[in-house]
Amino acid sequence: GAGVSQSPRYKVAKRGQDVALRCDPISGHVSLFWYQQALGQGPEFLTYFQNEAQLDKSGLPSDRFFAERPEGSVSTLKIQRTQQEDSAVYLCASSRGTGRRQETQYFGPGTRLLVL
Amino acid sequence: AQSVSQHNHHVILSEAASLELGCNYSYGGTVNLFWYVQYPGQHLQLLLKYFSGDPLVKGIKGFEAEFIKSKFSFNLRKPSVQWSDTAEYFCAVHGGSQGNLIFGKGTKLSVKP
Repeated sequence: GAGVSQSPRYKVAKRGQDVALRCDPISGHVSLFWYQQALGQGPEFLTYFQNEAQLDKSGLPSDRFFAERPEGSVSTLKIQRTQQEDSAVYLCASSRGTGRRQETQYFGPGTRLLVL
Repeated sequence: AQSVSQHNHHVILSEAASLELGCNYSYGGTVNLFWYVQYPGQHLQLLLKYFSGDPLVKGIKGFEAEFIKSKFSFNLRKPSVQWSDTAEYFCAVHGGSQGNLIFGKGTKLSVKP
């Protein structure tokens, strides 16, 4: 079956440019997560949605980062006025239920963002 | 705060050698534990997971991991590695009331043919 998909796979942005990254979770999955993976590091949590509700955005590094999931399926992560330190792979994951205990998160291929 | 430590940054083995990758976590409550693998050019895939019950869990491709609560550890093992096991391996913990996973920094495994 179809897994989590993300687009674009690669994005090069000039410093100061706004970018939008898209995530299509597995159909019917309630929970959706965004992670940021810097080079040589493990993924780090950014934000979490349960359906259309953003229940946790404690990992967003600054107010330049904004995420939405308006209809409870596709999600967009937007980064305004990109900075070089935003260069990373942005991963999206989804899980079947509420994202709490005893659930497996399924990851997409990621979007590799390079800010010049 | 929860954290996950993977002590080996890069492990190099010859084919047929045995593998053990260390993972320690810091969280005093009930945890769910995961190992994910990322093959070159591919996305993160679940290798195995522990939720409850038998602390020795078996995953895909002959991997297994043992949850030792007293040591806060969840080490990954494979008796005989293959060249195709070359990948990066991430340990992750899911505990408390939060929904997100906490990942270690990953261990890169290189298997020489």
